[in-house]
Amino acid sequence: QQPVQSPQAVILREGEDAVINCSSSKALYSVHWYRQKHGEAPVFLMILLKGGEQKGHEKISASFNEKKQQSSLYLTASQLSYSGTYFCGTERSGGYQKVTFGIGTKLQVIP
Amino acid sequence: DAGVTQSPTHLIKTRGQQVTLRCSPKSGHDTVSWYQQALGQGPQFIFQYYEEEERQRGNFPDRFSGHQFPNYSSELNVNALWLGDSALYLCASSLAPGRNHYGYTFGSGTRLTVV
Repeated sequence: QQPVQSPQAVILREGEDAVINCSSSKALYSVHWYRQKHGEAPVFLMILLKGGEQKGHEKISASFNEKKQQSSLYLTASQLSYSGTYFCGTERSGGYQKVTFGIGTKLQVIP
Repeated sequence: DAGVTQSPTHLIKTRGQQVTLRCSPKSGHDTVSWYQQALGQGPQFIFQYYEEEERQRGNFPDRFSGHQFPNYSSELNVNALWLGDSALYLCASSLAPGRNHYGYTFGSGTRLTVV
């Protein structure tokens, strides 16, 4: 089942902060976050695993509430390069990885 | 360190034809997943290959088939193309289940247009 992302779109000025949310109605093993710029491949940002382990880039932070099956991606002091579409992907088990992606959140950072 | 390589980058096919897309995974990765991304949508899971076998499959018809070779590269085949198959096809590589899970590395994709 596809995770639900919110908001669907957001416009920020450089230096502002944003939070993107992802929720699932099913129990999750992990949540992935990716950013895709127009015409490019999605790029891995962060993975949050059941049990609290996190792996990702230093400048990206995220949280995973296992009880609520919700994850949030925190973008602080936004830069023009943060613009793109952010996808969360969810895995329901730790076996063979079937990652189901949300519809995406379009983020535009303006000067 | 080469990332995921996909070929071709663009393809135009006629309805009813067949197409083969190719993917070479990132060095060190042994698992390949294929996704279909329609314009303005998130990637939709097609299937995943590990040890030359299909391990997981999404909600796609049997017209979509794949293969993984001993060198971990993979092919996606689509038969009897129809207009709705027009999309960006993404290949994603990763480490095998149970190993250090660090997410997917995606290729730049193959843009398929069916006319």
